[in-house]
Amino acid sequence: GAVVSQHPSRVICKSGTSVKIECRSLDFQATTMFWYRQFPKQSLMLMATSNEGSKATYEQGVEKDKFLINHASLTLSTLTVTSAHPEDSSFYICSAGTGANQPQHFGDGTRLSIL
Amino acid sequence: AQKITQTQPGMFVQEKEAVTLDCTYDTSDPSYGLFWYKQPSSGEMIFLIYQGSYDQQNATEGRYSLNFQKARKSANLVISASQLGDSAMYFCAMREGVNYGQNFVFGPGTRLSVLP
Repeated sequence: GAVVSQHPSRVICKSGTSVKIECRSLDFQATTMFWYRQFPKQSLMLMATSNEGSKATYEQGVEKDKFLINHASLTLSTLTVTSAHPEDSSFYICSAGTGANQPQHFGDGTRLSIL
Repeated sequence: AQKITQTQPGMFVQEKEAVTLDCTYDTSDPSYGLFWYKQPSSGEMIFLIYQGSYDQQNATEGRYSLNFQKARKSANLVISASQLGDSAMYFCAMREGVNYGQNFVFGPGTRLSVLP
């Protein structure tokens, strides 16, 4: 089955640090990937749609300068949280699809903790 | 307006019994897909079952079945013979249209606790 790998799984860093999260499709090509944020005990909130070779599409209220997305190849999308602050602490998870009637395949997520 | 509604924030079920998790949706697109995911405490999203809007029969995958009532716009998940490992958050999701580049909309989730 389709596999999406997300790295790192856990990050703890100081306020002001920029953090890069990678999302890779291991056995399929993904022209589109999605980045979600999840607060404790809440549902997944779509942050942005990552498009290979073009700019990402951000959801309303998501700061594109804070959450930089790069989708330079058909198998890799990255999310960089720039100058992270404690309020950016959350669970970030990516996904990609393989077909019209197929589920989104998710990475295992990244728990980001900003001290 | 919420596109996906899950009215049960939490559910309890006795081990080996069946449980139904509710999901209602709202769309005007005739083509859509409905998905259920399980999220254990470790965080990963595990795909369980899919139902297409044009599918005539209810989807089944092992112990999971989807009670699809199109006129009522409901897509309830039925888990038979519950196991302790079924304790997790369960999310209902919808994709509108047939473009797999279209994002999913997730419901608020239901936390299922299986009691020994």
